[in-house]
Amino acid sequence: AQKVTQAQTEISVVEKEDVTLDCVYETRDTTYYLFWYKQPPSGELVFLIRRNSFDEQNEISGRYSWNFQKSTSSFNFTITASQVVDSAVYFCALSATNQGGKLIFGQGTELSVKP
Amino acid sequence: DAGVTQSPTHLIKTRGQHVTLRCSPISGHKSVSWYQQVLGQGPQFIFQYYEKEERGRGNFPDRFSARQFPNYSSELNVNALLLGDSALYLCASSSPPPNTEAFFGQGTRLTVV
Repeated sequence: AQKVTQAQTEISVVEKEDVTLDCVYETRDTTYYLFWYKQPPSGELVFLIRRNSFDEQNEISGRYSWNFQKSTSSFNFTITASQVVDSAVYFCALSATNQGGKLIFGQGTELSVKP
Repeated sequence: DAGVTQSPTHLIKTRGQHVTLRCSPISGHKSVSWYQQVLGQGPQFIFQYYEKEERGRGNFPDRFSARQFPNYSSELNVNALLLGDSALYLCASSSPPPNTEAFFGQGTRLTVV
């Protein structure tokens, strides 16, 4: 069975703080893909990153960075120097290669950044 | 370029009625997927269509059906609506091969009363 767990339901930080959102996944597949999406109050899911299971290099994009560790089945997301505009619900998702494009989402973490 | 567009944005239906939701993918994308997102939860996969054929189905009852048209747009149909069908319905489009990033529309908020 495949599963994504985001244990943090809600996180509240003050602007300029760094924050890490945790994601733990379960899959028996050797080839799979991991994603992060942002969902602002408008409802649309905004794609942030895709990582395949063979690429464990960490990635940085501006204030965003991702730490992928197969040994602990984790794909954590860090926002550096958070801003009020980062307030949203963030979802981690898993896709197995034998299931086409089906995404399995975690429960989401609601991030609130206060001024 | 236009993103994924869904219509309508909001809808109120009565129990037992039928509803049709529509989705237009990004130009050039041939795969469309549907997800149901109940308040406070992550999206749940309903269907995937690629080249007008069903390529995947989630754990949803037969009241849910979908189809994809020659222009790659798609419809999601739900019959005999239940209160529990109230949710945000999201459509995503992606270009082949599978597992490329899926781009989502703004969703249709369905309320069943």
